Amino acid sequence: EDQVTQSPEALRLQEGESSSLNCSYTVSGLRGLFWYRQDPGKGPEFLFTLYSAGEEKEKERLKATLTKKESFLHITAPKPEDSATYLCAVQHTPNAGGTSYGKLTFGQGTILTVHP
Amino acid sequence: DGGITQSPKYLFRKEGQNVTLSCEQNLNHDAMYWYRQDPGQGLRLIYYSQIVNDFQKGDIAEGYSVSREKKESFPLTVTSAQKNPTAFYLCASSMSRNRGGTGELFFGEGSRLTVL
Repeated sequence: EDQVTQSPEALRLQEGESSSLNCSYTVSGLRGLFWYRQDPGKGPEFLFTLYSAGEEKEKERLKATLTKKESFLHITAPKPEDSATYLCAVQHTPNAGGTSYGKLTFGQGTILTVHP
Repeated sequence: DGGITQSPKYLFRKEGQNVTLSCEQNLNHDAMYWYRQDPGQGLRLIYYSQIVNDFQKGDIAEGYSVSREKKESFPLTVTSAQKNPTAFYLCASSMSRNRGGTGELFFGEGSRLTVL
């Protein structure tokens, strides 16, 4: 069974204070690891997909990295508008003849608060 | 603009009543999903559908039912058999794998169901 654990559960930063969020995973053959951002009372918004160890993706102040056991979401010089819950999810490689696209296993999320 | 529309945004239900949550998408996506989100927990998959007139149970399908009569629509019924229905419900869609889609899900704004 796929498992995803995110840490810390909550993170408070001052504006400009860089930090990282962690996503540890156990999956039987990783097809993809996904990062989403969720604002309060809203649906998640897709950020990144990572497929193999060593891969990195960047978007504005966010940078996602992947190893064989975990992924990090690095936030450089955050601003208050970066405050949100960040969700990590994994998708495993389907068995022969099967399909698993879209069947993601999500972590519980990290609540990020950036103070001005 | 293309997107996913969920309704209602808020819904109150008395115990013993069935309720149906609406989900419509105009993204021309083949696959659609229903997730449930509870505080401090990751998103959990209820049902998913890869094509019209076909759907599969997710991890927590008991007490729920769905239909997929049209590509654009994937309504979820929360039945009286669902033991703890109070939650935030999220509908999502994605491209099919043979069109290059993976776990990149597009989510609606969510429906918050409260059982009184």
